[in-house]
Amino acid sequence: KAGVTQTPRYLIKTRGQQVTLSCSPISGHRSVSWYQQTPGQGLQFLFEYFSETQRNKGNFPGRFSGRQFSNSRSEMNVSTLELGDSALYLCASSGDKGALNSPLHFGNGTRLTVT
Amino acid sequence: AQSVSQHNHHVILSEAASLELGCNYSYGGTVNLFWYVQYPGQHLQLLLKYFSGDPLVKGIKGFEAEFIKSKFSFNLRKPSVQWSDTAEYFCAVNHGQNFVFGPGTRLSVLP
Repeated sequence: KAGVTQTPRYLIKTRGQQVTLSCSPISGHRSVSWYQQTPGQGLQFLFEYFSETQRNKGNFPGRFSGRQFSNSRSEMNVSTLELGDSALYLCASSGDKGALNSPLHFGNGTRLTVT
Repeated sequence: AQSVSQHNHHVILSEAASLELGCNYSYGGTVNLFWYVQYPGQHLQLLLKYFSGDPLVKGIKGFEAEFIKSKFSFNLRKPSVQWSDTAEYFCAVNHGQNFVFGPGTRLSVLP
């Protein structure tokens, strides 16, 4: 089975811009969750989508949003970028029990740099 | 707010030494517990998990972890580490709608 695929691998944006990241889950997985990883804050859960609906959400501002398509592919959008949004953004897919109750299969991440 | 702490930021061991990485969480209700590992240059992957049942769980590559409910702990152990165990280890806990990772422990195993 192909693993979780995230695109792009690297992204450089300017403050105030917006960005969209993409994630393709493992075939058959309907849950996609997103995480932010920074040296200071570690790994933090952003949100989870399941069958095109947001099912769980971490403690991030509304500038961070996402969606999921009928083929389970997911996108994450960050609007009005701030310097502090520079991070590695990880996507993970899991089975029907969802991100909170199943092992996560992670992608390699998208490294976002905001200047 | 739920939090997960890992006792050590960086652990350095020689090959064949025994390993124990501490993990404590703050939530007292029903939780699911995980240990994830990130080898250099690779993505995060699951080592082991605890949902219910036997509090001693075995994972891949000879790792095990013990859930001690009274201590809110889920420590990771391996009797004899190898150089290939060099990696960063993350404890994670979920309850309700959130999923919280610990800050990670970097393990360096010297050959």
